[in-house]
Amino acid sequence: RKEVEQDPGPFNVPEGATVAFNCTYSNSASQSFFWYRQDCRKEPKLLMSVYSSGNEDGRFTAQLNRASQYISLLIRDSKLSDSATYLCVVNGQIKAAGNKLTFGGGTRVLVKP
Amino acid sequence: NAGVTQTPKFRVLKTGQSMTLLCAQDMNHEYMYWYRQDPGMGLRLIHYSVGEGTTAKGEVPDGYNVSRLKKQNFLLGLESAAPSQTSVYFCASSYSENQPQHFGDGTRLSIL
Repeated sequence: RKEVEQDPGPFNVPEGATVAFNCTYSNSASQSFFWYRQDCRKEPKLLMSVYSSGNEDGRFTAQLNRASQYISLLIRDSKLSDSATYLCVVNGQIKAAGNKLTFGGGTRVLVKP
Repeated sequence: NAGVTQTPKFRVLKTGQSMTLLCAQDMNHEYMYWYRQDPGMGLRLIHYSVGEGTTAKGEVPDGYNVSRLKKQNFLLGLESAAPSQTSVYFCASSYSENQPQHFGDGTRLSIL
C-alpha cells in the first residue's frame, strides 16, 4: 500500500459543477496535511492547509477524517482554470524521510465547458 | 521576490557525464529538498538538508550527491549520469519539516 494514496483520475467535470476527491494516508500519527496544485509541466504550489476542524478557502473546502485516515478536497462552481493535478501532502509517512512531507501521486481534474 | 530558483531549466546529457543542479532560496529557510518527478510516480525525495552544512538521504538517494555549503544554496550532483535519471527535478525549501514547502520551477533533465 502506498503511504499517501490518491485516485489518479482524471475527473472530468462540467464547468460550474462540484467535484470532490479523497486521499488516504497510512501513518495515524501524522499532524500536517496540505493540498497542492500542480499545472502541467509546472511546479507544485500550495493550495491550502488542512485543519482538523475542516477549512474553506473560497470555492475550495478541505476536510480531515482522522478515524478513517483520509483528507478530502471539494471544489464548488468549477472553473476552467481549476483544471490541474491536485497533490495530497502528509507528513511522517516514509521512515527514511522522518517527519517530513510525503506527496501523493495526484488526482487530475479536467474542467470542461 | 525570487523565492526558490533552479538552474539550469533544461539539460541533455550523455550517459556517464556529470553535472550539478543548483537551487537557491531567498526566504532564509532552514530546510531544503531535492525531488524527482516521473510519470505515474509522483514526487520522490532524493536528499534533503536541515541546515547549512548538513545533508541526509531521502527515499531515492542512489546515484546522487548533495552539498549545502551556504544556507541559501543546495546543490544536487550526478557523478555518472544514467538514462534512469531522466526526470524532472524539483528543489523546495521550508521553514521547518512540517511546514509547507515552496518549490522552484524545475529542471528537465534528459540522459541519452
